[in-house]
Amino acid sequence: QVQLQQSGAELAKPGSSVKISCKASGYTFTSYAMHWIKQTTGQALEWTGYIAPGSGGTKYNEKFKGKATLTVDKSSSTAYMQLSSLTPVDTAVYYCARGSYYRDSYAHGWYFDFWGPGTMVTVSS
Amino acid sequence: NIVLTQSPATLSVTPGESVSLSCRASQSISTSIHWYQQKSNESPRLLIKYASQSISGIPSRFSGSGSGTDFTLSINRVESEDFSIYYCQQSYSSLLTFGSGTKLEIK
Repeated sequence: QVQLQQSGAELAKPGSSVKISCKASGYTFTSYAMHWIKQTTGQALEWTGYIAPGSGGTKYNEKFKGKATLTVDKSSSTAYMQLSSLTPVDTAVYYCARGSYYRDSYAHGWYFDFWGPGTMVTVSS
Repeated sequence: NIVLTQSPATLSVTPGESVSLSCRASQSISTSIHWYQQKSNESPRLLIKYASQSISGIPSRFSGSGSGTDFTLSINRVESEDFSIYYCQQSYSSLLTFGSGTKLEIK
């Protein structure tokens, strides 16, 4: 069965960086994109970007360019998101989610069929 | 950016009632909309893809409809396990966005 295991909670100081991980199992890692989604305590969900593990190609939400860097290690089927220059605004739960894509004449685009349990990142001095 | 407006923000119902949750897009998105359920302290779960396509393992009481700008998630005879937050997400634009959610609570 598909599983996404995320690394544990992080407490970071303003200005620092964190790197969170998402280990995939139960499917061919390189066949699906891995997306990252931010959820603040107000419960709003915000798409950060995705990486195609096979090619390493990435696409970011413009809002997160320079903030988030997505990478993968194909040998361990693990995706990573590094968040840099942290401020309290970055405090949130970050989910990895497997992306599936479809296109026909009526509909297209990404949806998220499996989600990790989330990693809480707290930025505080 | 495509803005998704969900209504109502909170819906109070009695178990056994049937409900409809609304998601309205700021521009036409054909049927490029997906629905998720998030229970307290859990990650979201995919319920419906592309407006009305069912997902394996999701109870048949969940259904979706709509196209263009107006979409509906329907729950036929709400059960106790259904009380949670529901989000819509659009994939029409390359900038993927979510609605702000509808909380389904026990009356």
